[in-house]
Amino acid sequence: QVQLQESGPGLVKPSQTLSLTCAVSGGSIGSGSYYWSWIRQPAGKGLEWIGRIYTSGTTSYNPSLKSRVTISVDTSKNQFSLKLSSVTAADTAVYYCARGSTAWYYFDYWGQGTLVTVSS
Amino acid sequence: QTVVTQEPSFSVSPGGTVTLTCGLSSGSVSTSHYPTWYQQTPGQAPRTLIYSTNTRSSGVPDRFSGSILGNKAALSITGAQADDESDYYCVLYMGSGFWVFGGGTKLTVL
Repeated sequence: QVQLQESGPGLVKPSQTLSLTCAVSGGSIGSGSYYWSWIRQPAGKGLEWIGRIYTSGTTSYNPSLKSRVTISVDTSKNQFSLKLSSVTAADTAVYYCARGSTAWYYFDYWGQGTLVTVSS
Repeated sequence: QTVVTQEPSFSVSPGGTVTLTCGLSSGSVSTSHYPTWYQQTPGQAPRTLIYSTNTRSSGVPDRFSGSILGNKAALSITGAQADDESDYYCVLYMGSGFWVFGGGTKLTVL
């Protein structure tokens, strides 16, 4: 059973860079036909897809966030990461990492989510 | 900018049937968008109900079904139960490695 676990600072100051890591267990991040995504959800609001990466390093990002987002993968550590620069209060949200199926284009396994608050 | 539309809220009586929809601000939803439906309760990560339009995820009761109705994707719940009261999200694959979530539907069972 694949499991994903987000980790990182729960509080980030405005204008700084938010950095999160997603550790994958129960399977190799480099095996199979999957991609690895970040999704966020502000309190009381809906889900927003942030971006995804293949283990080859190929990425795609939500156009509304593209200028501030970088997703990377470290296959040796079986994890992938999110960096979001120049954060504001609007970036306060629960951030989820998720595995995606390339066969059916959906997110089949999710982490539990981690709350990141942007505040001085 | 692509917007995926969902009813903000819906209510159903226990034992009743409800159909939630997922549309596009411009154009029609088709199977090529691989519509996926998630159920989310407060404080929990989303749970996959339906993927690729109409395939139930493992362990999902058969009273949940997905389809294309007209120009929208649809999630039908038959024999609604109290614990179906949740938020439901659809997500569409827009191609070229891009996904867009709908705003979600808050379903009340009463």
